[in-house]
Amino acid sequence: QVQLQQWGAGLLNPSETLSLTCGVSGGPFSGYFWTWIRQPPGKGLEWIGEISHLGTTNYNPSLKSRVTMSVDGSKSQFSLKLSSVTAADTAVYYCATEVSFRFEVWGQGALVTVSS
Amino acid sequence: QSGLTQPGSVSGSPGQSVTISCTGTSTDVGVHKYVSWYQQYPGKAPKIIMYDVDKRLSGVPDRFFGSKSGNTASLTISGLQTEDEADYYCCSYAGSYTWVFGGGTKLTVL
Repeated sequence: QVQLQQWGAGLLNPSETLSLTCGVSGGPFSGYFWTWIRQPPGKGLEWIGEISHLGTTNYNPSLKSRVTMSVDGSKSQFSLKLSSVTAADTAVYYCATEVSFRFEVWGQGALVTVSS
Repeated sequence: QSGLTQPGSVSGSPGQSVTISCTGTSTDVGVHKYVSWYQQYPGKAPKIIMYDVDKRLSGVPDRFFGSKSGNTASLTISGLQTEDEADYYCCSYAGSYTWVFGGGTKLTVL
């Protein structure tokens, strides 16, 4: 069973770039789309985007201009960068696996707070 | 790409049934069979319980039932138990390799 462990900076100033990484263990790095999903405090989930092990990306149109995802197959890791953050980007960010149009395995979540 | 619409909260007594609706549009729920449901306990990551509208993940009790009609998907939980108290989120494939979630429904077991 694939397991995901995520890490990254938890406190950012407005206009900075959010950077998170998710490490994959217990399963193959290929065969999935690696996904990022976020949840503002007390609110619902928002799909941010996904990346394949070959680097093919699909992004939420509302965030596309600020999102960059990358993979490092040699380390079984994938990463999220979100530029020009504002308070509205404060959220718990989850990495997850997407396979067959569903999100089966989730990371533990990482709270990112944007505040001056 | 707007979010799917769910009721903010539903409640029921142990043993009763509740249904959580999830309304989308003809570009997501109405046209794709890829509707999934997630259960989230406070402070925890969401956990998938249903996919492809009506398929339960292994280990999910058959008290959980998924369905879809037109632009609305539904999750029905029968024989409510106290451990069912959680937040529930629907999600639909929206085409062009994008997904959209609902705003979530808080289920209270009275």
